[in-house]
Amino acid sequence: DAGVTQSPTHLIKTRGQQVTLRCSPKSGHDTVSWYQQALGQGPQFIFQYYEEEERQRGNFPDRFSGHQFPNYSSELNVNALLLGDSALYLCASSSGPRGGYTFGSGTRLTVV
Amino acid sequence: AQKVTQAQTEISVVEKEDVTLDCVYETRDTTYYLFWYKQPPSGELVFLIRRNSFDEQNEISGRYSWNFQKSTSSFNFTITASQVVDSAVYFCALSERNSGNTPLVFGKGTRLSVIA
Repeated sequence: DAGVTQSPTHLIKTRGQQVTLRCSPKSGHDTVSWYQQALGQGPQFIFQYYEEEERQRGNFPDRFSGHQFPNYSSELNVNALLLGDSALYLCASSSGPRGGYTFGSGTRLTVV
Repeated sequence: AQKVTQAQTEISVVEKEDVTLDCVYETRDTTYYLFWYKQPPSGELVFLIRRNSFDEQNEISGRYSWNFQKSTSSFNFTITASQVVDSAVYFCALSERNSGNTPLVFGKGTRLSVIA
């Protein structure tokens, strides 16, 4: 049973560009959450998707947006990249209010 | 607002030593859940334990044990007889519910290095 799959694993982008990160949840999970982990910091909640809608959002600007597809997979989009967006982006999937989170290995984004 | 503080940024121990990772939390909720996660170099967060605010019993799982003290808002994690494979970054986290829908608030983590 595959866990959470994220792609790509590494990515280098230039300031001002746009990036899309992808996440396939664990089988049976229908909720996807995204976290940003800057170097030396703990993960910070970006937003959560359920039933193809953004349900909760952390303290991140509108440059961060997302999408969830009918198969529960999700994308995280970041526009107008800043150097400070360099981080490990973690996807976590879950199933309803009784479940816990399963995390992927993340996408390491470097903005130069 | 919820907050988790892990004051120890890095800890280095020699194999077979015991080590305790500290976690102090702040919340106004009466019902909340505390977690510990392990992050190996591969990056994924590996779930270790979940504890709710109503259960202050200490828990032991093999070489791992957890000490939850509501009076001091602490949830400390002890590894007994540490091994090189325990080297990782450990995160303490808090949520207002034990739910797959509630965002986790993480501390900054403690990097543990176990030297052979």
